[in-house]
Amino acid sequence: AQKVTQAQTEISVVEKEDVTLDCVYETRDTTYYLFWYKQPPSGELVFLIRRNSFDEQNEISGRYSWNFQKSTSSFNFTITASQVVDSAVYFCALSEGNRDDKIIFGKGTRLHILP
Amino acid sequence: SQTIHQWPATLVQPVGSPLSLECTVEGTSNPNLYWYRQAAGRGLQLLFYSVGIGQISSEVPQNLSASRPQDRQFILSSKKLLLSDSGFYLCAWNLLGGSTDTQYFGPGTRLTVL
Repeated sequence: AQKVTQAQTEISVVEKEDVTLDCVYETRDTTYYLFWYKQPPSGELVFLIRRNSFDEQNEISGRYSWNFQKSTSSFNFTITASQVVDSAVYFCALSEGNRDDKIIFGKGTRLHILP
Repeated sequence: SQTIHQWPATLVQPVGSPLSLECTVEGTSNPNLYWYRQAAGRGLQLLFYSVGIGQISSEVPQNLSASRPQDRQFILSSKKLLLSDSGFYLCAWNLLGGSTDTQYFGPGTRLTVL
């Protein structure tokens, strides 16, 4: 069965610090997809990244970077030089890739960036 | 480009009243459509999904129902609301169909049942 665990319920860091959000997943499939979404206070979920199980290259997008490690079933998200606007709830999610299959979300990590 | 709309943005309803939330997608055809609820905490619960007109799959037994009368329209309904139906309701769609493709979310409807 699919499962996504975000062990960090809430994190607070001071602005400009780096912060890593952890995500551990479980799946029996060899083909699967991983996602990160951001939910700012407005409530809308904003897509950040999608990764398939065959692509273990780490990705960097500006201050955001993602570390995908199949050996540890982890897909961690790092924000470098955090800013107050990064304050949000971040969700990690997993899909096993059937046509009408569902995305399983973790419970989210609430990130507070303190000025 | 594709956009997704939800309305109303906020809703306050008494217990026992009916509910109708609407979601529409523009700029694409034959999307998969999804209804999620986010209650109290932060978790997202999938309620319904649809792969085509008239095709609805229910994930959680409850007093809610969903319908898809048109290709890009997805409606969440209830005949009698319960207090536990309060929450933030999000509609989402797939770009090409199938959850391997990224789900994009609407702005959500915040429902308070009193």
